[in-house]
Amino acid sequence: ETGVTQTPRHLVMGMTNKKSLKCEQHLGHNAMYWYKQSAKKPLELMFVYSLEERVENNSVPSRFSPECPNSSHLFLHLHTLQPEDSALYLCASSQGQREQETQYFGPGTRLLVL
Amino acid sequence: AQSVAQPEDQVNVAEGNPLTVKCTYSVSGNPYLFWYVQYPNRGLQFLLKYITGDNLVKGSYGFEAEFNKSQTSFHLKKPSALVSDSALYFCAVRDSDTGRRALTFGSGTRLQVQP
Repeated sequence: ETGVTQTPRHLVMGMTNKKSLKCEQHLGHNAMYWYKQSAKKPLELMFVYSLEERVENNSVPSRFSPECPNSSHLFLHLHTLQPEDSALYLCASSQGQREQETQYFGPGTRLLVL
Repeated sequence: AQSVAQPEDQVNVAEGNPLTVKCTYSVSGNPYLFWYVQYPNRGLQFLLKYITGDNLVKGSYGFEAEFNKSQTSFHLKKPSALVSDSALYFCAVRDSDTGRRALTFGSGTRLQVQP
């Protein structure tokens, strides 16, 4: 295990539902990330939080709303999603401000939007 | 802008033979290069990274990678493949010039090791 946990591991939701994905890191890191992994596409960065502030936002639709209440927890709130949002959502964390820092990933949440 | 390419969707190799998974990159500054592996229904696991120094980087599970600046490549290698190495491998890059913390990933290469 990498020290990054994600819940739930699987989620099925309708387009009118509201749900949240949770990520928790036990590594003492100060940066956290959300990535989307779709079939046959490279991993896409969604959001980056550093010291609980959002520092990158990769043009993600507003139906995805991140929240970082402290340096150990990261949420992704989902609202009125579309079927094309079905994917594996990966959380990662890293330590420090330097570019050479390594990101450690959680196991992901497999999301299916019906 | 930073980018990375993995030209092979799949690599097939027999158990015991050497393996190579290819990766090329493009950056404007200095590259920071990473390899990750993903097993079915799992997240990405870090294998190794190149920051500076020796061009040959050794990582987990007997993997190594060679940084070649002139060819802008960072190929992943292992002298003797195991069936358990079968997985999806991702190369990633970060550009020292951009100041971005996020990695840019390649599209992945599926490694299949036959017994």
